[in-house]
Parts: sequence; C-alpha cells; structure tokens
Amino acid sequence: DTAVSQTPKYLVTQMGNDKSIKCEQNLGHDTMYWYKQDSKKFLKIMFSYNNKELIINETVPNRFSPKSPDKAHLNLHINSLELGDSAVYFCASYQGSGRETQYFGPGTRLLVL
Amino acid sequence: DAKTTQPPSMDCAEGRAANLPCNHSTISGNEYVYWYRQIHSQGPQYIIHGLKNNETNEMASLIITEDRKSSTLILPHATLRDTAVYYCIVRISNAGGTSYGKLTFGQGTILTVHP
Repeated sequence: DTAVSQTPKYLVTQMGNDKSIKCEQNLGHDTMYWYKQDSKKFLKIMFSYNNKELIINETVPNRFSPKSPDKAHLNLHINSLELGDSAVYFCASYQGSGRETQYFGPGTRLLVL
Repeated sequence: DAKTTQPPSMDCAEGRAANLPCNHSTISGNEYVYWYRQIHSQGPQYIIHGLKNNETNEMASLIITEDRKSSTLILPHATLRDTAVYYCIVRISNAGGTSYGKLTFGQGTILTVHP
C-alpha cells in the first residue's frame, strides 16, 4: 500500500481556473505538509497541519487554501491559477515525537497555460 | 535552522563508495543533521539523521565531525539507482519542540553514478 498518495498526478489547466489537489496518508501520522518545487528545483514548504490544525503558513498567497477534513487528509485548493503556480506539489506526512522521518508523496505536476 | 553548504554535483563509479560532504558551520547544539534524497520525478526520501555520533542504517552511513561543523554521507556501494539529488538539512528535533518537522531544503548535491 502507498504510504502517502496524491491525486491527480498530472494537472494541466488554464490561467484563472480553480483546482484542487488531494493528499492522503495511511501511516497514522499527526502532521502533514504541502511543499512546492519550482522549475529551478527548489523545494519549499508551503503549509503544515497538525491534527487538522494549521501550524505553518509560509507566506503563501491567499489563493492557496489548504483543508484538512481529518488527520489522514490534507487537500490543497488553488483559486485563480497563475502561470507562476506551475510546479510540482508534494504532500508529506510526519509522526514526530522522536520519529523524525518525513514521508513524501509522488507529487502532482501542475501546468498552468 | 542552520544553513548548509554542499557541492552542486559529484560523480561516482558504480560499486564504489560515494562520499557526499556537507558543511554546517553555524549548527547549534540541539540541531540534528538530516539527509534526504530525491530521485528524478519522485518525492524526497529520508536516508539518515544524527546529532553527534556516527550513524549507520541499511541505506547509508553518516559521519559527523567532532566539532559538528561538517558531515559526510557515505553510500558504501553506489548503484545506478542511487543517482539522485542529495539534500543535507540541519534542524531541531521535534521531540518536545514546536518545529513540527519543518524541513528547509537547499540546492543539494546532484550525485551521478556511472557504470
């Protein structure tokens, strides 16, 4: 079974559209993240949720709104998509409490035309 | 979190040891050294981490200098599948803390293993 899964794997859309990316983890972890990897391959954290509560927001535009319906899911909704939003978005989960490994999903490749 | 410095790229022959260096001269006493790697088109993968003692697991070994200002990740017998970007990250352990595992990735080292 996949530990951290993301859907869709690829997303091609027009500027101005609204889209969502979904993430699920079956590891029982308390903390989940969204990271963005741009065309220059820099990988940056965007958000983090712990037990459905937002704990990290790295000055991401308001057009990005994460939602955590439960501990196992962290979805990312993006409004009014812009060309600069084109990137690979990775979801990750983390148990903490001395278990330091973060598990990353396979990524969602978003292309905004 | 302390900043790290890694060479942008390295080559290694298949079957030989790959030694990837990382400088973290401003590391604090409660900060750990973590290594992750990202194989092309995949999500980052945890490799190993340590505080001050050398560590070894099934994937790699981590050697941390006594002053903790630098470390080396060792892949003892590199294979073609080890070709990836390797990230050295320094951060506080979350145990009892509030960092919630936040990872700050640098540019990493592109390791190319060739036949």
